[in-house]
Amino acid sequence: GEDVEQSLFLSVREGDSSVINCTYTDSSSTYLYWYKQEPGAGLQLLTYIFSNMDMKQDQRLTVLLNKKDKHLSLRIADTQTGDSAIYFCASTGAGNMLTFGGGTRLMVKP
Amino acid sequence: NAGVTQTPKFQVLKTGQSMTLQCAQDMNHEYMSWYRQDPGMGLRLIHYSVGAGITDQGEVPNGYNVSRSTTEDFPLRLLSAAPSQTSVYFCASSYQSGSTGELFFGEGSRLTVL
Repeated sequence: GEDVEQSLFLSVREGDSSVINCTYTDSSSTYLYWYKQEPGAGLQLLTYIFSNMDMKQDQRLTVLLNKKDKHLSLRIADTQTGDSAIYFCASTGAGNMLTFGGGTRLMVKP
Repeated sequence: NAGVTQTPKFQVLKTGQSMTLQCAQDMNHEYMSWYRQDPGMGLRLIHYSVGAGITDQGEVPNGYNVSRSTTEDFPLRLLSAAPSQTSVYFCASSYQSGSTGELFFGEGSRLTVL
């Protein structure tokens, strides 16, 4: 089945940019998503990108998709302490089911 | 509009006990699903439903049962709890499965099986 991989942890200083990376295996994935999970809460959709796009920008968030390498990244500009959370990459695979990566814990130091 | 509501938030069980995690949504979503979240493993799909009366297995269905008698409710039953089922469980719903169907998550139910 589909495999989605992310690094476990990222630490940045407040005001710096954060880049969270994700790789996936299913080349037929139609949509790729970034979800954010704050402590003690469920996941919330941050943004998504359709597979025929290579970039999407939404305020401080930039999503880059390299379909050839099956690589997705989320860049957060001017990272704030409120951005500290776990970020999940997810991909639609067979049957339009979502497969989630293991999550990247972002820690923002003041 | 409460969104997705899960109960209980916390539960401790002994091995072999049974229990039901409740999930309700008030958004008239057709698609509902249950995930479990374990450290470093992301979310794994247990069961899902694309509408009332229809359920199907996800990636890790063993040890769990579901039913969908109404659009609003999607309970998850543990028939005979095992320590391997210690996890955080999330219910999620969307207007449609996959595609651009944004998943709305409940706040989670933390289950410990001793």
